[in-house]
Amino acid sequence: EAQVTQNPRYLITVTGKKLTVTCSQNMNHEYMSWYRQDPGLGLRQIYYSMNVEVTDKGDVPEGYKVSRKEKRNFPLILESPSPNQTSLYFCASSLSGTFYNSPLHFGNGTRLTVT
Amino acid sequence: SQQGEEDPQALSIQEGENATMNCSYKTSINNLQWYRQNSGRGLVHLILIRSNEREKHSGRLRVTLDTSKKSSSLLITASRAADTASYFCATDAGSNYQLIWGAGTKLIIKP
Repeated sequence: EAQVTQNPRYLITVTGKKLTVTCSQNMNHEYMSWYRQDPGLGLRQIYYSMNVEVTDKGDVPEGYKVSRKEKRNFPLILESPSPNQTSLYFCASSLSGTFYNSPLHFGNGTRLTVT
Repeated sequence: SQQGEEDPQALSIQEGENATMNCSYKTSINNLQWYRQNSGRGLVHLILIRSNEREKHSGRLRVTLDTSKKSSSLLITASRAADTASYFCATDAGSNYQLIWGAGTKLIIKP
Protein backbone atom coordinates (compact mmCIF):
# COMPACT_ATOMS: atom_id res chain seq x y z
CA GLU A 1 0.00 0.00 0.00
CA ALA A 2 1.33 3.43 -0.97
CA GLN A 3 1.86 5.44 2.16
CA VAL A 4 3.84 7.88 4.23
CA THR A 5 4.74 6.44 7.61
CA GLN A 6 5.61 8.61 10.58
CA ASN A 7 6.80 7.44 13.95
CA PRO A 8 6.06 7.82 16.73
CA ARG A 9 2.38 8.77 16.70
CA TYR A 10 2.62 10.38 20.13
CA LEU A 11 5.69 11.66 21.94
CA ILE A 12 6.05 13.34 25.31
CA THR A 13 9.48 14.61 26.19
CA VAL A 14 11.26 17.16 28.36
CA THR A 15 12.94 20.39 27.39
CA GLY A 16 16.39 19.89 25.92
CA LYS A 17 16.23 16.16 25.27
CA LYS A 18 17.10 15.50 21.64
CA LEU A 19 14.53 13.62 19.63
CA THR A 20 13.96 12.37 16.12
CA VAL A 21 10.67 11.86 14.33
CA THR A 22 11.03 9.45 11.47
CA CYS A 23 9.27 9.65 8.12
CA SER A 24 9.37 7.12 5.33
CA GLN A 25 7.53 6.89 2.01
CA ASN A 26 7.28 3.90 -0.32
CA MET A 27 6.17 5.72 -3.48
CA ASN A 28 9.59 6.70 -4.83
CA HIS A 29 8.64 10.35 -4.40
CA GLU A 30 11.27 13.00 -5.02
CA TYR A 31 9.77 15.67 -2.79
CA MET A 32 9.28 15.44 0.96
CA SER A 33 8.29 18.03 3.50
CA TRP A 34 7.64 18.59 7.19
CA TYR A 35 4.80 20.72 8.53
CA ARG A 36 3.59 21.67 11.95
CA GLN A 37 -0.04 22.39 12.68
CA ASP A 38 -1.12 24.60 15.54
CA PRO A 39 -4.63 25.83 16.42
CA GLY A 40 -5.33 29.14 14.75
CA LEU A 41 -2.06 29.09 12.79
CA GLY A 42 -2.84 26.43 10.24
CA LEU A 43 -0.18 24.39 8.49
CA ARG A 44 3.31 25.85 8.50
CA GLN A 45 6.18 24.35 6.58
CA ILE A 46 9.35 23.58 8.51
CA TYR A 47 11.71 22.11 5.91
CA TYR A 48 11.40 20.48 2.55
CA SER A 49 13.56 18.35 0.30
CA MET A 50 13.50 18.38 -3.48
CA ASN A 51 15.57 15.21 -3.73
CA VAL A 52 18.30 13.23 -2.01
CA GLU A 53 20.82 15.51 -0.31
CA VAL A 54 18.84 18.63 -1.30
CA THR A 55 16.92 20.37 1.47
CA ASP A 56 15.71 23.89 2.11
CA LYS A 57 14.08 25.90 4.85
CA GLY A 58 10.36 26.47 4.99
CA ASP A 59 8.59 29.16 6.94
CA VAL A 60 9.48 28.04 10.48
CA PRO A 61 12.83 26.17 10.42
CA GLU A 62 14.27 27.48 13.71
CA GLY A 63 14.95 24.71 16.21
CA TYR A 64 14.69 21.90 13.65
CA LYS A 65 17.09 19.91 11.49
CA VAL A 66 16.47 17.50 8.66
CA SER A 67 18.47 15.20 6.45
CA ARG A 68 17.74 13.33 3.22
CA LYS A 69 20.36 10.66 2.81
CA GLU A 70 17.99 8.25 1.09
CA LYS A 71 15.04 8.97 -1.15
CA ARG A 72 12.52 7.24 1.06
CA ASN A 73 13.47 8.73 4.45
CA PHE A 74 13.25 12.27 5.75
CA PRO A 75 13.72 12.44 9.53
CA LEU A 76 12.96 15.55 11.57
CA ILE A 77 15.42 16.25 14.36
CA LEU A 78 14.87 18.48 17.36
CA GLU A 79 18.30 18.94 18.92
CA SER A 80 17.04 20.76 22.02
CA PRO A 81 13.26 20.77 22.13
CA SER A 82 11.43 23.59 23.85
CA PRO A 83 7.79 23.88 24.97
CA ASN A 84 6.95 26.14 22.00
CA GLN A 85 7.65 23.15 19.75
CA THR A 86 4.67 21.34 21.22
CA SER A 87 2.58 20.73 18.15
CA LEU A 88 1.12 18.27 15.67
CA TYR A 89 3.71 17.40 13.05
CA PHE A 90 3.09 16.03 9.57
CA CYS A 91 5.42 14.57 7.03
CA ALA A 92 4.29 14.68 3.41
CA SER A 93 5.65 13.58 0.06
CA SER A 94 4.95 14.24 -3.58
CA LEU A 95 6.16 12.80 -6.85
CA SER A 96 7.43 16.21 -7.81
CA GLY A 97 7.93 19.51 -6.05
CA THR A 98 6.20 21.35 -8.85
CA PHE A 99 2.84 19.90 -7.73
CA TYR A 100 1.65 20.28 -11.31
CA ASN A 101 0.00 16.91 -11.31
CA SER A 102 1.34 15.46 -8.10
CA PRO A 103 -0.48 16.24 -4.88
CA LEU A 104 0.94 15.77 -1.43
CA HIS A 105 0.52 12.51 0.45
CA PHE A 106 0.51 12.98 4.21
CA GLY A 107 1.50 10.78 7.11
CA ASN A 108 -0.87 10.34 10.04
CA GLY A 109 0.95 12.84 12.18
CA THR A 110 3.06 12.95 15.34
CA ARG A 111 1.66 14.73 18.34
CA LEU A 112 4.63 16.09 20.27
CA THR A 113 4.43 17.50 23.78
CA VAL A 114 7.50 19.15 25.29
CA THR A 115 7.30 19.83 29.02
CA SER B 1 3.12 32.33 5.08
CA GLN B 2 -0.62 32.10 4.62
CA GLN B 3 -2.01 33.00 1.25
CA GLY B 4 -5.29 31.17 1.15
CA GLU B 5 -8.23 32.29 3.21
CA GLU B 6 -11.09 29.88 3.57
CA ASP B 7 -14.59 31.07 4.15
CA PRO B 8 -16.48 30.29 6.26
CA GLN B 9 -14.25 29.24 9.14
CA ALA B 10 -16.93 26.82 10.28
CA LEU B 11 -20.05 25.39 8.68
CA SER B 12 -22.72 23.19 10.20
CA ILE B 13 -25.41 21.66 7.98
CA GLN B 14 -27.89 18.78 7.96
CA GLU B 15 -27.02 15.52 6.31
CA GLY B 16 -28.16 15.52 2.71
CA GLU B 17 -27.68 19.26 2.21
CA ASN B 18 -24.97 20.74 0.02
CA ALA B 19 -21.90 22.36 1.56
CA THR B 20 -19.98 25.16 -0.11
CA MET B 21 -16.60 26.42 1.01
CA ASN B 22 -14.61 29.24 -0.51
CA CYS B 23 -10.93 29.97 -0.80
CA SER B 24 -9.31 33.24 -1.78
CA TYR B 25 -5.66 33.76 -2.57
CA LYS B 26 -3.40 36.71 -3.29
CA THR B 27 -0.86 35.92 -6.02
CA SER B 28 -0.98 34.19 -9.38
CA ILE B 29 -0.96 30.41 -9.27
CA ASN B 30 -0.30 27.37 -11.44
CA ASN B 31 -2.76 25.22 -9.57
CA LEU B 32 -4.97 25.08 -6.51
CA GLN B 33 -5.62 22.00 -4.43
CA TRP B 34 -8.22 21.00 -1.86
CA TYR B 35 -7.49 18.66 1.03
CA ARG B 36 -9.60 17.11 3.78
CA GLN B 37 -8.45 16.46 7.32
CA ASN B 38 -10.35 14.28 9.73
CA SER B 39 -9.80 15.29 13.34
CA GLY B 40 -6.11 15.02 14.23
CA ARG B 41 -5.28 12.90 11.20
CA GLY B 42 -3.21 13.52 8.11
CA LEU B 43 -4.56 15.54 5.24
CA VAL B 44 -5.99 13.72 2.26
CA HIS B 45 -5.88 15.17 -1.22
CA LEU B 46 -9.30 15.69 -2.78
CA ILE B 47 -8.86 17.51 -6.05
CA LEU B 48 -6.38 19.63 -7.99
CA ILE B 49 -7.47 22.30 -10.44
CA ARG B 50 -5.05 24.00 -12.79
CA SER B 51 -5.04 27.71 -13.51
CA ASN B 52 -6.36 27.15 -17.04
CA GLU B 53 -9.35 25.14 -15.78
CA ARG B 54 -12.58 26.67 -14.54
CA GLU B 55 -14.39 23.68 -13.09
CA LYS B 56 -13.60 20.15 -12.06
CA HIS B 57 -15.67 17.28 -10.69
CA SER B 58 -14.84 14.24 -8.65
CA GLY B 59 -17.75 12.18 -7.38
CA ARG B 60 -19.82 14.44 -5.11
CA LEU B 61 -17.17 17.17 -5.23
CA ARG B 62 -17.24 20.12 -7.55
CA VAL B 63 -14.46 22.69 -7.58
CA THR B 64 -14.50 25.98 -9.43
CA LEU B 65 -11.66 28.39 -10.00
CA ASP B 66 -11.93 32.05 -10.91
CA THR B 67 -8.43 33.38 -11.51
CA SER B 68 -9.71 36.90 -12.19
CA LYS B 69 -11.13 37.01 -8.67
CA LYS B 70 -8.37 34.85 -7.22
CA SER B 71 -10.89 32.55 -5.64
CA SER B 72 -12.04 28.95 -5.65
CA SER B 73 -15.01 27.13 -4.23
CA LEU B 74 -15.52 23.54 -3.15
CA LEU B 75 -19.04 22.16 -3.29
CA ILE B 76 -19.91 18.88 -1.61
CA THR B 77 -23.30 17.66 -2.73
CA ALA B 78 -25.65 15.42 -0.74
CA SER B 79 -23.46 15.63 2.36
CA ARG B 80 -22.94 12.64 4.65
CA ALA B 81 -21.86 12.35 8.27
CA ALA B 82 -18.51 11.01 7.03
CA ASP B 83 -17.87 14.38 5.33
CA THR B 84 -17.42 15.94 8.77
CA ALA B 85 -13.84 17.22 8.63
CA SER B 86 -11.73 20.30 8.06
CA TYR B 87 -11.14 21.35 4.47
CA PHE B 88 -8.06 23.23 3.31
CA CYS B 89 -7.09 24.88 0.08
CA ALA B 90 -3.46 25.13 -0.98
CA THR B 91 -1.84 27.04 -3.80
CA ASP B 92 1.59 26.90 -5.35
CA ALA B 93 1.68 30.69 -5.62
CA GLY B 94 3.35 30.30 -9.01
CA SER B 95 6.54 28.85 -7.52
CA ASN B 96 7.94 25.39 -7.02
CA TYR B 97 8.53 23.42 -3.89
CA GLN B 98 6.20 25.23 -1.53
CA LEU B 99 2.44 25.17 -1.13
CA ILE B 100 0.70 27.96 0.69
CA TRP B 101 -2.17 26.89 2.90
CA GLY B 102 -5.35 28.47 4.07
CA ALA B 103 -6.54 28.19 7.66
CA GLY B 104 -9.30 25.75 6.76
CA THR B 105 -13.07 25.41 7.01
CA LYS B 106 -14.42 23.13 9.69
CA LEU B 107 -17.47 21.30 8.32
CA ILE B 108 -19.90 19.52 10.61
CA ILE B 109 -22.64 17.35 9.13
CA LYS B 110 -25.52 16.79 11.53
CA PRO B 111 -27.36 13.47 11.18
